[in-house]
Amino acid sequence: EVQLLESGGGLVQPGGSLRLSCAASGFTFNNYGMNWVRQAPGKGLEWVSSIGGGGGTTYYADSVKGRFTISRDNSKNTLYLQMNSLRAGDTAVYYCAKGGWLYAYDIWGQGTVVTVSS
Amino acid sequence: EIVMTQSPATLSVSPGERATLSCRASQSVSSNLAWYQQKPGQAPRLLIYGASTGATGIPARFTGSGSGTEFTLTISSLQSEDFAVYYCQQYNNWPRTFGQGTKVEIK
Repeated sequence: EVQLLESGGGLVQPGGSLRLSCAASGFTFNNYGMNWVRQAPGKGLEWVSSIGGGGGTTYYADSVKGRFTISRDNSKNTLYLQMNSLRAGDTAVYYCAKGGWLYAYDIWGQGTVVTVSS
Repeated sequence: EIVMTQSPATLSVSPGERATLSCRASQSVSSNLAWYQQKPGQAPRLLIYGASTGATGIPARFTGSGSGTEFTLTISSLQSEDFAVYYCQQYNNWPRTFGQGTKVEIK
């Protein structure tokens, strides 16, 4: 079964850091681009970042550029999102999703909740 | 950045009726357009990709059409499990962008 499982969310103070993980199973992980999408409470979906299958190409939304870093460990079938200098506006459910360049996101994880508050 | 605009924001439909949802892109995205369904407390689910191709396991009552800047998702006969929020997304340009969503509710 193809599956994505996020972890690492939690409550963090403004200015703090958090690292999210997304464990993949059921498909050849290094063949696919991967993505992070977030959803603030009661709001719509916002694309955050994408990474190519080999990990060498990355893209970021302007809202997180310079603060967030996407990476992957293909030996562990795991995607990461390192989030630094967190702000209240980063509070959201963070989803990882499978989908390369010019592909829709066909598999989504269940999401992990990040709350930035003092 | 390509802005995706969905209409209407809310659509009230009776079970068994047809629902038509629209998505407009601020510039051409070719056919690199997807539709997702999201129910409360759940992750989004891919319905349509390439503007008109149904994803694996998606019922035939969901159809997508359009190209360039104008797209439509049609649900031919609404079932109880179809009441949800629907999002369009373009994956032609960076940054990837989603529409604000259309909520399909029971009339």
